[in-house]
Amino acid sequence: QVQLVESGGGVVQPGRSLRLSCAASGFTLSIFGIHWVRQAPGKGLEWVAVISYDGSNTYYADSVKGRFTISRDNSKNTLYLQMDSLRAEDTAVYYCATDTPGTVSGWFDSWGPGTLVTVSS
Amino acid sequence: EIVLTQSPATLSLSPGERATLSCRASQSVRNYLAWYQQKPGQAPRLLIYDASNRATGIPARFSGSGSGTDFTLTISSLEPEDFAVYYCQQRSNWPPYTFGQGTKLEIK
Repeated sequence: QVQLVESGGGVVQPGRSLRLSCAASGFTLSIFGIHWVRQAPGKGLEWVAVISYDGSNTYYADSVKGRFTISRDNSKNTLYLQMDSLRAEDTAVYYCATDTPGTVSGWFDSWGPGTLVTVSS
Repeated sequence: EIVLTQSPATLSLSPGERATLSCRASQSVRNYLAWYQQKPGQAPRLLIYDASNRATGIPARFSGSGSGTDFTLTISSLEPEDFAVYYCQQRSNWPPYTFGQGTKLEIK
């Protein structure tokens, strides 16, 4: 069964760092571009970042550019989101989602259940 | 950045009725528009991509139409499990990919 599972969320103080992971089971993550999408409590969806299947290309939303870094370790079938200089407005459920195999089409196909990040002093 | 505006914000209907949800883009997105369904406490699910193509496993009662700036998601006959929040999303001009603010489909 194809499954994505995020982990690493929690409560963190403003200005601190957190690293989220997205692990795949039942399929090979290495053929997919992967996105991070977040959702603040009670709010809509916001795209955060994307990484190509081979890690050669990454793109970010302006709201996180320079603070967040997306990366992947295909040997571990895992994706990461390093979040630095966290702000209160980064508080959200963070989802990873697959794109189309072999390319970045911009459609978010399979999603993990999400992990909650709370930035608060 | 392309802004997507969904209407109505809330739609109250009964099972068996037809639902029509709208999404308008601030500039043309050609046919590069998708629809997602999200139920409380769950991740979103891709329903429609490229404006009118159903994703794998999506029932035929869901259909999408439109191009350019105006798009519609139609649910032909509502089932109890269809009551949820629906988002549109564009991939025409990125980054960033952008979403609409959502339409809540509730039971009347």
